[in-house]
Amino acid sequence: SQTIHQWPATLVQPVGSPLSLECTVEGTSNPNLYWYRQAAGRGLQLLFYSVGIGQISSEVPQNLSASRPQDRQFILSSKKLLLSDSGFYLCAWSVTSGGVLAKNIQYFGAGTRLSVL
Amino acid sequence: GENVEQHPSTLSVQEGDSAVIKCTYSDSASNYFPWYKQELGKRPQLIIDIRSNVGEKKDQRIAVTLNKTAKHFSLHITETQPEDSAVYFCVSGGYQKVTFGTGTKLQVIP
Repeated sequence: SQTIHQWPATLVQPVGSPLSLECTVEGTSNPNLYWYRQAAGRGLQLLFYSVGIGQISSEVPQNLSASRPQDRQFILSSKKLLLSDSGFYLCAWSVTSGGVLAKNIQYFGAGTRLSVL
Repeated sequence: GENVEQHPSTLSVQEGDSAVIKCTYSDSASNYFPWYKQELGKRPQLIIDIRSNVGEKKDQRIAVTLNKTAKHFSLHITETQPEDSAVYFCVSGGYQKVTFGTGTKLQVIP
């Protein structure tokens, strides 16, 4: 069965410090991978998604970046955190190998709660 | 890009009553419409979904309807229970990415 690992669970970082959040998926090949951010009491904002190694699509211009060095690994980074980067970060995967008729079901990791102080 | 509007943002119902959450989407190419439930502090999980070639789908106390012409879809929960209390998200789905609605916080009052 497929599993998704996301760490750390919580993180407190000072403004201006770097960030690296990692997500890995097991039990599937060539998944679509996603990073979302959820501000307190708000919806899910798609930050980045990737349909293959080295392929990253950015949805929101900001000081964050994403990389996919391996098929089932997705990393969210920042060189200098801002106060506004605080939030709940969720990694997700899906498989749409069945073509346009495939269901794009998102399976989420447990999330990382980031507080920038 | 796709825009998904979701209403209401908060909803309080008495236990046993029904709850309805409505969404509209803008991209006529969207063909998959799932709903996710997120309990406090936890990850969102899929509860029901519907394809664009289907008008209605039911799973026990939960049902979804889709009006593709009007670009509307809705979630109906009947006989609500306290454990239904959570945030619900509608989603407009495409092949590679999906767009989440802003969420509805449902509170079921015992």
